Amino acid sequence: QITLKESGPTLVKPTQTLTLTCTFSDFSLSTSGVGVTWIRQPPGKALEWLAVIYWNDDKRYSPSLRSRLTIIEASKNQVVLTMTNMDPVDTATYYCAYTNYGSGSSSYWGQGTLVTVSS
Amino acid sequence: DIQMTQSPSSLSASVGDRVTITCRASQSISSHLNWYQQKRGNAPKLLIYAASSLQSGVPSRFSGSGSGTDFTLTVSSLQPDDFATYYCQQTYSTPHFGQGTRLEIK
Repeated sequence: QITLKESGPTLVKPTQTLTLTCTFSDFSLSTSGVGVTWIRQPPGKALEWLAVIYWNDDKRYSPSLRSRLTIIEASKNQVVLTMTNMDPVDTATYYCAYTNYGSGSSSYWGQGTLVTVSS
Repeated sequence: DIQMTQSPSSLSASVGDRVTITCRASQSISSHLNWYQQKRGNAPKLLIYAASSLQSGVPSRFSGSGSGTDFTLTVSSLQPDDFATYYCQQTYSTPHFGQGTRLEIK
């Protein structure tokens, strides 16, 4: 059973850098066609796609956030997302998800982690 | 960026109703369109991928259709468990979600 879980700080100050870890099990990021995506959702608002890393180290970013985001494979079962220069508008629940390269669809999701940006 | 516009933004319906939600892309995305269901406080759940393929384990009352710029998600007979928010997502280029459709009980 594929599972994913997000971890990281629940509170960050404006201008700080956010580092989130997605720890997953029952799949490998070295398997062809597999990816891990980060998505966020501000309270009461829609989903926003952030970034994806695929098995072949192909990395893609939201154009509007590209300059602030970095996604890496930190270990055989962890993907890390960093977002620089955090602002209160970045307050959101951040999700990681198992993603299929062919369809781009995300069929397994973590429970999400709420990150609040406030001084 | 390819923008996705869902309609309606909210919808009231009754158990047993047939419901259709529409998603329009700002340019052609072939069949690179996915649908998700999200219940309050939970992560989204994949329902349909590649416009019309039913994800494993999803009830057959859900169906998707369309290609190019216009897509629909249909629930043939609403069940109490189906009242949730639905999102479309294009994956033709940098992925982008629609703004969501909130399906409420009438």
